[in-house]
Amino acid sequence: DAGVTQSPTHLIKTRGQQVTLRCSPISGHKSVSWYQQVLGQGPQFIFQYYEKEERGRGNFPDRFSARQFPNYSSELNVNALLLGDSALYLCASSTGGTAWETQYFGPGTRLLVL
Amino acid sequence: GNSVTQMEGPVTLSEEAFLTINCTYTATGYPSLFWYVQYPGEGLQLLLKATKADDKGSNKGFEATYRKETTSFHLEKGSVQVSDSAVYFCALSDRGSGGGADGLTFGKGTHLIIQP
Repeated sequence: DAGVTQSPTHLIKTRGQQVTLRCSPISGHKSVSWYQQVLGQGPQFIFQYYEKEERGRGNFPDRFSARQFPNYSSELNVNALLLGDSALYLCASSTGGTAWETQYFGPGTRLLVL
Repeated sequence: GNSVTQMEGPVTLSEEAFLTINCTYTATGYPSLFWYVQYPGEGLQLLLKATKADDKGSNKGFEATYRKETTSFHLEKGSVQVSDSAVYFCALSDRGSGGGADGLTFGKGTHLIIQP
């Protein structure tokens, strides 16, 4: 079975631009979460979606937004990019999004903001 | 709020040595606890988990016990191999006030280097 897939793998943008990252969950998984991993740090939670509804949001500014589609895939949008947004963006999926379930991570999208 | 503290690395050991990576947590609810591993050039993978107090998670020779009284989830392995070299992350997932999940809270990661 295919794992979590993310696109693109790498991206270079300049300050002020907007970016859209995409994620396809494991087949049968209805929950998708997004994380930001800055070099040398652990991932930080951005959003969780379940059945197209936002279930949780981390401590990120309103420049970050996301949505989930009827096929459970998801997009993360970041507006007005800052240099500090340079990071590895990870998507994770799980069956129901409950706290005790395992989240399965994709390989990530590495974003560089110049 | 929730937080996870784990020992900073890098941790360098010889092959067949005993490994302990300490992890302590703070949570507002009743969390589930996880260890994830990131091998060089690969994505995050679940290593083991425990969902209630006194549960022991185990996988690939690694073990960790959910200790509510000490709010800890230390990772141990009796005899490490060169192939265990990776970055290890302790994480928690709390049910939150609304009963739903609020995402995983990760520690900063511990870089483990095993020398032959």
